This record gives sequence, C-alpha cells and structure tokens, in this order.
Amino acid sequence: DGGITQSPKYLFRKEGQNVTLSCEQNLNHDAMYWYRQDPGQGLRLIYYSQIVNDFQKGDIAEGYSVSREKKESFPLTVTSAQKNPTAFYLCASSMAFSYNEQFFGPGTRLTVL
Amino acid sequence: GIQVEQSPPDLILQEGANSTLRCNFSDSVNNLQWFHQNPWGQLINLFYIPSGTKQNGRLSATTVATERYSLLYISSSQTTDSGVYFCAVLGNTGGFKTIFGAGTRLFVKA
Repeated sequence: DGGITQSPKYLFRKEGQNVTLSCEQNLNHDAMYWYRQDPGQGLRLIYYSQIVNDFQKGDIAEGYSVSREKKESFPLTVTSAQKNPTAFYLCASSMAFSYNEQFFGPGTRLTVL
Repeated sequence: GIQVEQSPPDLILQEGANSTLRCNFSDSVNNLQWFHQNPWGQLINLFYIPSGTKQNGRLSATTVATERYSLLYISSSQTTDSGVYFCAVLGNTGGFKTIFGAGTRLFVKA
C-alpha cells in the first residue's frame, strides 16, 4: 500500500527542546517537501529536497533543519531557535521536482508547552 | 515572489447547490494543483492542472495560464464537500518554490 506516513500524529514538547518529525514515503518519489500550517492559514514551505543528499531552504527555514540520507525519508528537526513552533506540519512528495504533482502525508500537530 | 489569491475566502452553501472557486496568480507558473483539506487536516489531491480543463465526477477545474487564473467548479454540493480548498502553484522564478493560497472555507448545509 503506497503512500506517505508521518509520525507521530501529535507531539508535545517543552520550550528549549529540539524535536524531530518523521516523514517516510514508499512511492519511489525523488522530491520531498516540508510545510507548516498555522490555524486558518495556508501552507508555507519550510524545506524541500529534489534528490537524495540535496535540500534547499523554503520561505520559512529559520529554526528548522532537515536531512535526506535516504530516498524514502526526509526528517524535519524543529530546533529551540524556532520562536513559535506550535503548528501543523505536513510532509509531501512528488515524482520529480520538474513534474511537481505533490501528495501529502496526514500531518503532525506539534504543541510547545 | 509569486502571489496567489483565492476567492471567496468563505462560502456557505445549501446541499445541492453549485459553486465556483477562483485562484489568481501574479506570474507565469509551471504547475497548479487544487486540494481539499478535510476536517482532520488531510490534504486530498483534486486536480493537477497547469492548463486546460479536467473533470472528475461532480468536480471540474479550468486553468487559463495566459490570464493567470484557475477555477474549481463544484456541482450538486454535498455535506462531505465541506472543508478548505487550496490552490497551489509552482512558479517559473524565485527558486521554483510552491506557493499556496490562503484557501476557501466551504460549509455545505444539509
């Protein structure tokens, strides 16, 4: 059953802690993306990766870091430098960056206490 | 960078009614997608439509790239159509980043 999985579904963290959100896809897609959604807003691009071992900053990369060591995995770390990390985080993938139809995972809701 | 505007921001319909959602973008685009976000936050792909017209059941979409807009038509609306509809574009410039509109919030009354 092909798709994109994100874990955990809900995540709580204390201020000052780093936390890593998981994103895995078995669609054999080259490109992967991370977005942030705040209540009542659209999605904003955090980071994207066109291919393994390569990634670029999106519009709101400050306070976040990523890695792309495997084609199927694109974890996102929310660092303590991110000033307002409470949000809904969505991961997506597409066959190739040039053919950009994106498919989304179910998301992770992060709450900073 | 490219700007994406969706209208209307909110829409309330009686079940069975038809509606048109609009997406305007400020520059030429490589790709355009329409999504439906359900109440649980899942984004569901509706159309991948950089140009032309497509139909899928009660939904159809048209993108006129030269005039920089796309339309999503919902016919015979059902309560399950409720949610937020997003338009997303991949621009030709500015690092080829995907930009989402703010969405149209649709509520269909029974």
